[in-house]
Amino acid sequence: GENVEQHPSTLSVQEGDSAVIKCTYSDSASNYFPWYKQELGKRPQLIIDIRSNVGEKKDQRIAVTLNKTAKHFSLHITETQPEDSAVYFCAASGSGSSNTGKLIFGQGTTLQVKP
Amino acid sequence: DSGVTQTPKHLITATGQRVTLRCSPRSGDLSVYWYQQSLDQGLQFLIQYYNGEERAKGNILERFSAQQFPDLHSELNLSSLELGDSALYFCASSVDPGDQPQHFGDGTRLSIL
Repeated sequence: GENVEQHPSTLSVQEGDSAVIKCTYSDSASNYFPWYKQELGKRPQLIIDIRSNVGEKKDQRIAVTLNKTAKHFSLHITETQPEDSAVYFCAASGSGSSNTGKLIFGQGTTLQVKP
Repeated sequence: DSGVTQTPKHLITATGQRVTLRCSPRSGDLSVYWYQQSLDQGLQFLIQYYNGEERAKGNILERFSAQQFPDLHSELNLSSLELGDSALYFCASSVDPGDQPQHFGDGTRLSIL
């Protein structure tokens, strides 16, 4: 069935270092890949997303790369700050008229940025 | 503010009881998704409705049911509650099933005592 694997489950970095989180998906029909940041008890907040017709997307300190052949995508955060500490989830979905749009989530990565 | 409204914010009840969680999607959104977030299971897709009809089903228990009403709000009904049903339940909405991203509500925290 559909599955998204996310690694690592926990990640601790020093402030200013980079952080990388990786995800692998199983459904080759997936064509939309969002990343969410979730603080304790709050709703997931979309921080960046990428569609299958694009290999890389950047937004300031955050970037996402997608390798459709290998079915994996990664989140890169540069110059990390303490406020980046949170749980990060990747997800995969279809988009467009032939898909339901449901999101299949990875297991989450707890990122701790030490001052 | 995502524009998606979920009520109540918190719900505390006992095993064996039944509860109803409510979601009002963003204005103009026809598609509603329900997700469950428990400590050991992460975020899991439960069910999706589009314009009043069920569109997709995930690992939703038979004790759970949902519907979407003509005004497009949706309700998730959980019955014969068990301790393991304690979780955060999120609703998300989008214009239609092919539209991304989805917009998440603030969730309902359900605690079973």
